[in-house]
Amino acid sequence: LAKTTQPISMDSYEGQEVNITCSHNNIATNDYITWYQQFPSQGPRFIIQGYKTKVTNEVASLFIPADRKSSTLSLPRVSLSDTAVYYCLVGVMNRDDKIIFGKGTRLHILP
Amino acid sequence: EAQVTQNPRYLITVTGKKLTVTCSQNMNHEYMSWYRQDPGLGLRQIYYSMNVEVTDKGDVPEGYKVSRKEKRNFPLILESPSPNQTSLYFCASSRTSGVRADTQYFGPGTRLTVL
Repeated sequence: LAKTTQPISMDSYEGQEVNITCSHNNIATNDYITWYQQFPSQGPRFIIQGYKTKVTNEVASLFIPADRKSSTLSLPRVSLSDTAVYYCLVGVMNRDDKIIFGKGTRLHILP
Repeated sequence: EAQVTQNPRYLITVTGKKLTVTCSQNMNHEYMSWYRQDPGLGLRQIYYSMNVEVTDKGDVPEGYKVSRKEKRNFPLILESPSPNQTSLYFCASSRTSGVRADTQYFGPGTRLTVL
C-alpha cells in the first residue's frame, strides 16, 4: 500500500484558497487517490477522488501531476466551517486489503 | 436513506466487562471495517471484512473480535476491555475493496470509556 505523507497542520484565513499536498512516491499503477474530510467527533466523509490530471467537484479540486507521486487538494475560498482534518488515501488494495488513513492534515481556518 | 449506524453512541464501562458495539449498513456493501481514533494517532483500522464470513486483522486488532454473519452487520466485540481501549470507534462500509478506492461511508462513532 502506498505510504502517504501530508503536513500535520495548516492555518489559513476565510476567503483564501487552501492547497494541501500529499506525497505518495510509491503509488501503484492501479491506485486511485482519495481525500476525506473529518470534523471533530464525526466520521470522515468523502471529498474527492482522482487518478490523474485534474478533478473538480462542487467542494474541491484535485490536482495530480503526470508522475502521480503527489497530489494537491485545493479548497477554494475557505470558510470557518472548512476547519477539519483532511486525509489523503492512495488505493485500497494491497496484499491484504488493509486501509491506512494516516494522521491527516489538521486545517484551521481563521476569521 | 443510505447510512451506517452504530450503537451505542456513548458507553462507559469497567475493565473486564464484555461489551459489543453494533454496526449496520443498508447499502448492501461488501466491505466493512472498524477503526479507532485516538488523539495524535489518526484513524487506525482494527478489523475488516471483505464479505460474509470473511474477516481479517487490520493494524491494531489486539483485544478485539469481530464477526460477519450477515452482510449488513459487523459487530465489534471487546471480550475483556481495558483502559487502553478507551477511544472513539468508527464503523465504515464500502461497496467493495477493489483496486479502485471505493468510497468509505462512516458511521457516527461510538465513544467508549473503560474505567
